[in-house]
Amino acid sequence: QVQLVESGGGVVQPGRSLRLSCAASGFTFSVYPMHWVRQAPGKGLEWVAITSSDGDTKYYADSVKGRFTISRDNSKNTLSLQMNSLRADDTAIYYCARVSQAGSDIDYWGQGTLVTVSS
Amino acid sequence: QSVLTQPPSVSGAPGQRVTISCTGSSSDIGAGYDVHWYQQFPGTAPKLLVYANNNRPSGVPDRFSGSKSGTSASLAITGLQAEDEADYYCQSYDSSLSGHYVFGTGTKVTVL
Repeated sequence: QVQLVESGGGVVQPGRSLRLSCAASGFTFSVYPMHWVRQAPGKGLEWVAITSSDGDTKYYADSVKGRFTISRDNSKNTLSLQMNSLRADDTAIYYCARVSQAGSDIDYWGQGTLVTVSS
Repeated sequence: QSVLTQPPSVSGAPGQRVTISCTGSSSDIGAGYDVHWYQQFPGTAPKLLVYANNNRPSGVPDRFSGSKSGTSASLAITGLQAEDEADYYCQSYDSSLSGHYVFGTGTKVTVL
C-alpha cells in the first residue's frame, strides 16, 4: 500500500536551517509529482511547493520562495525539503503529499512532521 | 497569493443536510480549474473526499457530494452523521501565479 513517511522535524532557532525528508513506498515514485503542504498549529492548510515527477520543474509559494528548496531522488524514492533562514511563522506540521495521476488532487498524504522555529 | 474562502463553521443535527461553500476568483475556480475537497480529523493528516469537482474516491460514502459553478464550489453532506464532525478544505489551482496551488480557509463541521 502507498506509504509516505516524513522525518527531520524538530525545534530550530530562527535563521537556522532544517532538512525534511519523505520516504515513499508502495508505488512507482518516479512517475508522480509531489507536494509539500504545511499546517501551522490550529490553522488551515498552506501549499508550500511542488516538484514534477522528474524533478526538473519546481514551484514555490511566495512565503517560502528563495528560502526553501524542494528536491527528489527517484533512485531512493525520497522527497526532500531544504528549509533555510527559518522564521517563527514557518512553525507548522509539514506534510509530504502525492499528486494523483488523473488530475491535480492529492490522493495520499504522509502523517506529517512538526517543525518548531523558536529561540 | 490567493486563497479560497470558506465559512469558518457550519453545523447541523444528525440526518440533516449541510453545505460548505468555497469561493474563488476568475484566476482559479472561475478559470475552469478543478476543485477538490479534503476531510481532516484532529491530529491526523487530511484525506481526499471529493476530486475533480464531483467525484468520490473508492470508500467515500455517497452522502458526500461536490459541485462547481462559476467562481465557486460546494460540498454537501446529506444525512449528517456524528462521525462527519471534522474540518473540511477545498483546493484548486491559481493561474495568476505559475504553478501555485491554493487551499480554502477551512470549515469546521459540528454535529449538534
